[in-house]
Amino acid sequence: SSDLAQPLSVSVSPGQTAHIPCSGEKLRNKYVYWFQQRPGQAPVLLIYEDTKRPSGILDRFSASHSGITATLTISGAQPIDEADYHCQAWDGRAALFGGGTKLTVL
Amino acid sequence: QVQLVQSGAEVKGPGASVRVSCEVSGYTLSELSIHWVRQAPGKGLEWMGGFVPEDGETAYAQNFQGRITTTEDTSTDTAYMELRGLRSEDTAVYYCARLAYCDGNLCSSFPRFDYWGQGTLVTVSS
Repeated sequence: SSDLAQPLSVSVSPGQTAHIPCSGEKLRNKYVYWFQQRPGQAPVLLIYEDTKRPSGILDRFSASHSGITATLTISGAQPIDEADYHCQAWDGRAALFGGGTKLTVL
Repeated sequence: QVQLVQSGAEVKGPGASVRVSCEVSGYTLSELSIHWVRQAPGKGLEWMGGFVPEDGETAYAQNFQGRITTTEDTSTDTAYMELRGLRSEDTAVYYCARLAYCDGNLCSSFPRFDYWGQGTLVTVSS
């Protein structure tokens, strides 16, 4: 099992807001990163340093982090947002990933 | 714009070794830190190792210590990951990823994986 816990799946209706949590002691006082991975594709960086979006990432994607829990929020979810979402943090020189959450929009 | 292009799929027998390549364009390899992450079928991402600029050394995940070697050929801007002693549990898609400190002109003390290769499927089967 992973040091970073994520639910296996989250479902929302189109236009609704999706919340994807990531939790674990390893998140305390560490930055959290979020990746989107569509089927058959490589991961894409969505969020870095808890809340920052790289250039080109839509502002429908936001995130928060407090203590040992981080949350990715997708506002106005669309079918194109169906994907796996992975959280990540650094444990010293090692990168830790959560197990990933499959978002279904239907 | 950074691009990472990986080598094609491989099929190996148990106990064999595999070497996956990751060719960089848009930057020279000497300007980058490349890491390796794998994903078993239906599973999450698993970090394997990579170059840590702060230390000037390569770090490997404990799960792979003794079985993995990452190298770089700066003459061809290609990074390599070799995994030895393959077993069925090593069947996975292997990704290379750039570890970066800057997004354009905005730089930070904390790195992130901002560009990824397309992935290389390695199948271990007898």
